[in-house]
Amino acid sequence: AQSVTQPDIHITVSEGASLELRCNYSYGATPYLFWYVQSPGQGLQLLLKYFSGDTLVQGIKGFEAEFKRSQSSFNLRKPSVHWSDAAEYFCAVGAYAGNMLTFGGGTRLMVKP
Amino acid sequence: DVKVTQSSRYLVKRTGEKVFLECVQDMDHENMFWYRQDPGLGLRLIYFSYDVKMKEKGDIPEGYSVSREKKERFSLILESASTNQTSMYLCVVYKNEQFFGPGTRLTVL
Repeated sequence: AQSVTQPDIHITVSEGASLELRCNYSYGATPYLFWYVQSPGQGLQLLLKYFSGDTLVQGIKGFEAEFKRSQSSFNLRKPSVHWSDAAEYFCAVGAYAGNMLTFGGGTRLMVKP
Repeated sequence: DVKVTQSSRYLVKRTGEKVFLECVQDMDHENMFWYRQDPGLGLRLIYFSYDVKMKEKGDIPEGYSVSREKKERFSLILESASTNQTSMYLCVVYKNEQFFGPGTRLTVL
């Protein structure tokens, strides 16, 4: 069975600082990996996805993520955080593009001015 | 983009009631999913369907059932609502990517 772990439940960073959100997955084959963001009271928005190819994936809003097979990780990064990035972030894994997704528990990001 | 509509944004029911949550998509897509979202647990898959009349259990199907009589409509049924089913319920449709419905926040008293 596939599973996703987001070790950090809450993270607080200062505006302008860099950000890394951790995601570890368990899956037997090559996974399809996703990062979503959910702002308060809003639905989930896709930030980026990895299916194959270049292991460094660029997404929207200046986010990127790197797939590391040896570490079973897909960490999300942003070089400079903005106050509007405060939200909850979810990592997810699937067996193929249209398949059911397994989500991590989420990481809530707070941004200090 | 795919438009995903859920029948209610907020719903309050009493323990033991039968509850229907409906999800409707505006295109002819096969893959539809029901998740529930709880703080600290992320989204957990309840049931999914890849076509009409077809349904598969997800990770937490206990206490739920589903119905898919038409391709555009996927219903989640709580046979006898319990307080531990108080949650946010999200319908998802897949067409090249996952499209999320607005969610139904269900409270069971």
